[in-house]
Amino acid sequence: QSGLTQPPSASGSPGQSVTISCTGTSSDIGGSNDVSWYQLHPGKAPKLIIYDVIKRPLGVPDRFSGSKSGNTASLTVSGLQEEDESDYYCCSYAVTNTLAFGGGTKLTVL
Amino acid sequence: QVQMVESGGGVVQPGRSLRLSCSASRYPFSSFAMHWVRQAPGKGLEWVAGISDAGISTYYADSGKGRFTISRDNSKNTLFLQMSNVTTEDTGVYFCARVVRGGDPWTALYNWGRGTMVTVSS
Repeated sequence: QSGLTQPPSASGSPGQSVTISCTGTSSDIGGSNDVSWYQLHPGKAPKLIIYDVIKRPLGVPDRFSGSKSGNTASLTVSGLQEEDESDYYCCSYAVTNTLAFGGGTKLTVL
Repeated sequence: QVQMVESGGGVVQPGRSLRLSCSASRYPFSSFAMHWVRQAPGKGLEWVAGISDAGISTYYADSGKGRFTISRDNSKNTLFLQMSNVTTEDTGVYFCARVVRGGDPWTALYNWGRGTMVTVSS
C-alpha cells in the first residue's frame, strides 16, 4: 500500500493564496472521487475541510477549495489567515479497499 | 454535537496485546462506517483499519493485517481495535473516525476523536 505524495512544506503571506498538491496513481486519486483533505493542529482532533474532491463541510470557510486533475488532487487556501497555519493531509480511497494518506504538508503563514 | 472519545492506550511491551475503544455519541452510530487512523511520533497520518456500519465487512492496512482486529458493538455505540503482537512501530496516537456519509465505508472521515496514545516499549 503506497502513500500519496505531498510537498513537506508550503507558505504564503496573509491575504495570499497557496495551493498544496497531492499526487497518487490511477489506483487511488485517479480512479476515485473519494478524495479528502484534513487539517491537523497538535493535540486536537483532525478536522475534515474538503471531501468528495470539492465539497466543504458545514462551517469550513469558502477560502478552502479542492480540485483534481488526473492522478493529482489540490487544496487551495485563498486569502490566507494566521489561523490557517497548520498541517494538511490529503486522503484517497484506493481500489484495494484501503485508504491512502499523503505524508502531510506544513503550511506556514509568513 | 457529535462526540468520539478514544480510550485504552498506554505503555505495552513488544509482543503483547492491547484493546482500544472508541465511544461515540449524538449521532446514529449504527448507520455509519468507522475507521482507525494512527500517527506515529513526528510522522504523518496512517490508515489502520475500517469497518462497515453493521460490522459485517472489515478492512485492514498491510501493517496490521493478521495482528489487528477491528470490531464494533452497535448496541453500545462503541468501536474497538484489538492489537496483538505489537511492535515498536505500532507506537503512536490512535484516532477513531466516522465517515461523512452513511452506507459507504470509503467516504471522508468527518468526525474524529482526539486520540489515545499507544507506546510500545520494553
